[in-house]
Amino acid sequence: DAGVTQSPTHLIKTRGQHVTLRCSPISGHKSVSWYQQVLGQGPQFIFQYYEKEERGRGNFPDRFSARQFPNYSSELNVNALLLGDSALYLCASSLNGNSYNEQFFGPGTRLTVL
Amino acid sequence: QQQVKQSPQSLIVQKGGISIINCAYENTAFDYFPWYQQFPGKGPALLIAIRPDVSEKKEGRFTISFNKSAKQFSLHIMDSQPGDSATYFCAALRLNSGYSTLTFGKGTMLLVSP
Repeated sequence: DAGVTQSPTHLIKTRGQHVTLRCSPISGHKSVSWYQQVLGQGPQFIFQYYEKEERGRGNFPDRFSARQFPNYSSELNVNALLLGDSALYLCASSLNGNSYNEQFFGPGTRLTVL
Repeated sequence: QQQVKQSPQSLIVQKGGISIINCAYENTAFDYFPWYQQFPGKGPALLIAIRPDVSEKKEGRFTISFNKSAKQFSLHIMDSQPGDSATYFCAALRLNSGYSTLTFGKGTMLLVSP
């Protein structure tokens, strides 16, 4: 049974560019959360989507946006990239968003902004 | 503002020894306290978790001790093995209105020497 998958694995962009990261949740999971993990730090919550609606947002600027599709996959978009956006971006899926249900993390997308 | 403080930053333990990682939280609104294990190039994976109405939970070699009044919790790894070498994150989950958020500590890099 496939786990959470993310693409691409690695990405290099320059300042000011835009990036789109993709996530496919575990089959049957309807909630997707996005986290940013800066080197040497713990993951930090960006968004949670459930049933294609944004249900929660962390303390990130409006340059960060996301959406969830009818098949429950999700995209994270970051505009006007800054050097500080360099991080591992993790996607996590769960059965639903508002419970103790375990969040299963994907391997992440490593974004480097030059 | 760091809501979950984790220590130590790194830890070296001999094979067969006990690894102890400590965390403290500030927000009494947290509902659930999981520990995650992360290997290089992988996303975090749930190791063990505890609810705040329980003082201890044991699963195999892993034990969580929870002190609600002190707002502290710790992970004990008994009979530590080289395969346990990884980064460990404590986290706190909050059930909000319609979504849940995980707040992570900064992580502890554990090295178990053979």
